[in-house]
Amino acid sequence: NAGVTQTPKFQVLKTGQSMTLQCAQDMNHNSMYWYRQDPGMGLRLIYYSASEGTTDKGEVPNGYNVSRLNKREFSLRLESAAPSQTSVYFCASSLHPRGRDRKNIQYFGAGTRLSVL
Amino acid sequence: AQSVTQLDSQVPVFEEAPVELRCNYSSSVSVYLFWYVQYPNQGLQLLLKYLSGSTLVKGINGFEAEFNKSQTSFHLRKPSVHISDTAEYFCAVSESGGSNYKLTFGKGTLLTVNP
Repeated sequence: NAGVTQTPKFQVLKTGQSMTLQCAQDMNHNSMYWYRQDPGMGLRLIYYSASEGTTDKGEVPNGYNVSRLNKREFSLRLESAAPSQTSVYFCASSLHPRGRDRKNIQYFGAGTRLSVL
Repeated sequence: AQSVTQLDSQVPVFEEAPVELRCNYSSSVSVYLFWYVQYPNQGLQLLLKYLSGSTLVKGINGFEAEFNKSQTSFHLRKPSVHISDTAEYFCAVSESGGSNYKLTFGKGTLLTVNP
């Protein structure tokens, strides 16, 4: 009963380094999301993927790229990390059924704590 | 566009006291409403949700919330809190129709239960 799995759990980067955060879900969900959480800011949406093969920008996309590799996996890439990207990153997924009842109940992973020095 | 305001950033209470965490939302269309809980160093866990029907919804761990459409509120309550309820609580809203199904979160309320 894994749900949403994020790797790594912790990461320290130097300014300018790149890395990819991985996310996988085993609930056969259509939609996946990447958020960042900063103190006093709540969760802010970085990118989302409504369905396999599509991705869209959220509230704070600058400095990030995403790839929806298949239905299960959605990765977040930092091409050139900056100290402002120090944060906790959460991946989430939702069923997002088509039809009249669209219940966007999102299920979250445990998070990746990223520090950029 | 939709938005969520959590009126209190921190709420300290004593064990076994009642608590209410306040949430107001803004949206031009009908909404779904959610409360999530985040325990220290963990991810977010769904506490309860309002999708339709009864405006009083019950969640896990003895929490409940009431949807008040006229006041655009969705306050979270528990009649008697435990030390283990210490966590950050997030209210969230999504539109119930149309093509905008994204979830918008409030900034969170840190509930601290003291002995």
